[in-house]
Amino acid sequence: NAGVTQTPKFRILKIGQSMTLQCTQDMNHNYMYWYRQDPGMGLKLIYYSVGAGITDKGEVPNGYNVSRSTTEDFPLRLELAAPSQTSVYFCASSYDRSSYEQYFGPGTRLTVT
Amino acid sequence: AQKVTQAQTEISVVEKEDVTLDCVYETRDTTYYLFWYKQPPSGELVFLIRRNSFDEQNEISGRYSWNFQKSTSSFNFTITASQVVDSAVYFCALRAAGSYIPTFGRGTSLIVHP
Repeated sequence: NAGVTQTPKFRILKIGQSMTLQCTQDMNHNYMYWYRQDPGMGLKLIYYSVGAGITDKGEVPNGYNVSRSTTEDFPLRLELAAPSQTSVYFCASSYDRSSYEQYFGPGTRLTVT
Repeated sequence: AQKVTQAQTEISVVEKEDVTLDCVYETRDTTYYLFWYKQPPSGELVFLIRRNSFDEQNEISGRYSWNFQKSTSSFNFTITASQVVDSAVYFCALRAAGSYIPTFGRGTSLIVHP
């Protein structure tokens, strides 16, 4: 099992550019999540999904979009990147909401300049 | 609104010392869940424990133990006989039972010197 994989590991974007952060899990988990971690801060939930075709906003969704066409994949799209989106992005998955053990990916470090 | 406070920004200890990481929370929900995660230098978060608000039993897992006190809204984490491999940032988090959105503390950086 690879668990949760994220690509890329690092990325530098110019203001106004767009990009997609990829997230894939091979544990057949229904629930998937995107978080961001700003320096010296805890994680904040951006979006989550409870299954293929179902997504919902978290605490800080502005400037992001997601889709969930398969159980395995949960890409995060940044449109019109802004410096405020400089952060480390983590994808996570869990079997269900009651299964509180979320498995995290290694993170993507994004810098917007 | 929920809040999680980890007042200790950084703790430095020498190997084999015991160390306690504090977590104080605020919530109006009657049913909620508390978590601890470890973030080693590699960056990936690792789940350590979940505690339900209706279960105040303390828990021990090897060198790790957790003290949940609802009366003081605290969920403290103790590492006994610390080791260099325990060096990491530790996060406490809170989530209401009916919500998908957790609230994380800012984390405590633990440095264990050999």
